[in-house]
Amino acid sequence: AQSVTQLGSHVSVSEGALVLLRCNYSSSVPPYLFWYVQYPNQGLQLLLKYTTGATLVKGINGFEAEFKKSETSFHLTKPSAHMSDAAEYFCAVRNGRNQGGKLIFGQGTELSVKP
Amino acid sequence: DTAVSQTPKYLVTQMGNDKSIKCEQNLGHDTMYWYKQDSKKFLKIMFSYNNKELIINETVPNRFSPKSPDKAHLNLHINSLELGDSAVYFCASSLGRANTEAFFGQGTRLTVV
Repeated sequence: AQSVTQLGSHVSVSEGALVLLRCNYSSSVPPYLFWYVQYPNQGLQLLLKYTTGATLVKGINGFEAEFKKSETSFHLTKPSAHMSDAAEYFCAVRNGRNQGGKLIFGQGTELSVKP
Repeated sequence: DTAVSQTPKYLVTQMGNDKSIKCEQNLGHDTMYWYKQDSKKFLKIMFSYNNKELIINETVPNRFSPKSPDKAHLNLHINSLELGDSAVYFCASSLGRANTEAFFGQGTRLTVV
């Protein structure tokens, strides 16, 4: 069975500081990995995804993530936080054999950005 | 032009009532989903439809009944609402391939009083 663990339910950084949101996954088959962002009272928006190929994936709003198979990790980073980055972030995994296409989500990490 | 739209955005109702949430997508996707987000923001799949066929039903009480009249629509009907049904319900759609992302609607916040 697949699962996702996000370390830290809440992360606080200062504006301009590095953002690092941690995600570890468990999967018996090659995973497809996703990061979504949810702003207050909004739906989920895709930040980036890893399917195959290059393990460093760039997404929207200056975010990137690196797939590390040996560490079963897919951490999300951004070099310099903006106030507008404050939101809830979700890491998700999908089975490469589809399993009906469902996304399995981590618990979410709330990012706060201090001025 | 909204890709995945669901109505209503807010729904407040009394225990025991029956309510429906509608979802439509204009992305040409063949797979649609219902997810439930609880008060701790945890997201869990409820149902998945591919080409109008139910392919995932994740141990959801049978008071919840999805209906997909066509590939672009997936509605959720809930009978005999309970306090514990209060949550945000998200509709989503994707192409039926594992390496494609799901697109989410804005959510329906259901409050049962």
